[in-house]
Amino acid sequence: AQKVTQAQTEISVVEKEDVTLDCVYETRDTTYYLFWYKQPPSGELVFLIRRNSFDEQNEISGRYSWNFQKSTSSFNFTITASQVVDSAVYFCALSERSGANSKLTFGKGITLSVRP
Amino acid sequence: NAGVTQTPKFRILKIGQSMTLQCTQDMNHNYMYWYRQDPGMGLKLIYYSVGAGITDKGEVPNGYNVSRSTTEDFPLRLELAAPSQTSVYFCASSSERATEAFFGQGTRLTVV
Repeated sequence: AQKVTQAQTEISVVEKEDVTLDCVYETRDTTYYLFWYKQPPSGELVFLIRRNSFDEQNEISGRYSWNFQKSTSSFNFTITASQVVDSAVYFCALSERSGANSKLTFGKGITLSVRP
Repeated sequence: NAGVTQTPKFRILKIGQSMTLQCTQDMNHNYMYWYRQDPGMGLKLIYYSVGAGITDKGEVPNGYNVSRSTTEDFPLRLELAAPSQTSVYFCASSSERATEAFFGQGTRLTVV
């Protein structure tokens, strides 16, 4: 069975600090996809990134970067020079590829507060 | 672009009442999902569908029912509402297995 663990529940930083959000996953599949979503205070869920299990390259998008390590089953998310607008709940999610159906399993989320 | 549309946005139900949460997507996605979000618990999958006429239970299906008669619509039915069903409900869709899901704006349901 697939599982996503986000051990950090709440993180508080001061603006301009770097912050890393951890995500550890479990799956028996060799083919799977990992995602990060952002939920700002307004409540909608915003897709940030998808990574497949065969692509271990790190990705950088502006102040955001993602570190995928299959050896440790982790897919961590770093925000560089955090801003108040980064305050949100961040979810890591996993979807297995094999089998007839695909289910997207979420972690419990990490609440990030960025103080001015 | 409408994307995934959920109605209503808010609803208060009395214990024992029933209601249907509507979800429509205009992206011709085969995969649709219903999640509930409780504080500090993340999103839990209630039901999902991989195409019209095909539905399956997720992690927390008890007290809910779904149907998928068309590609576009995936309504969630609550029968005999209970306080434990107080939550925020999200509908989502995706084009294929394991592609990013697009979410609706959510329905905040309170059962009193």
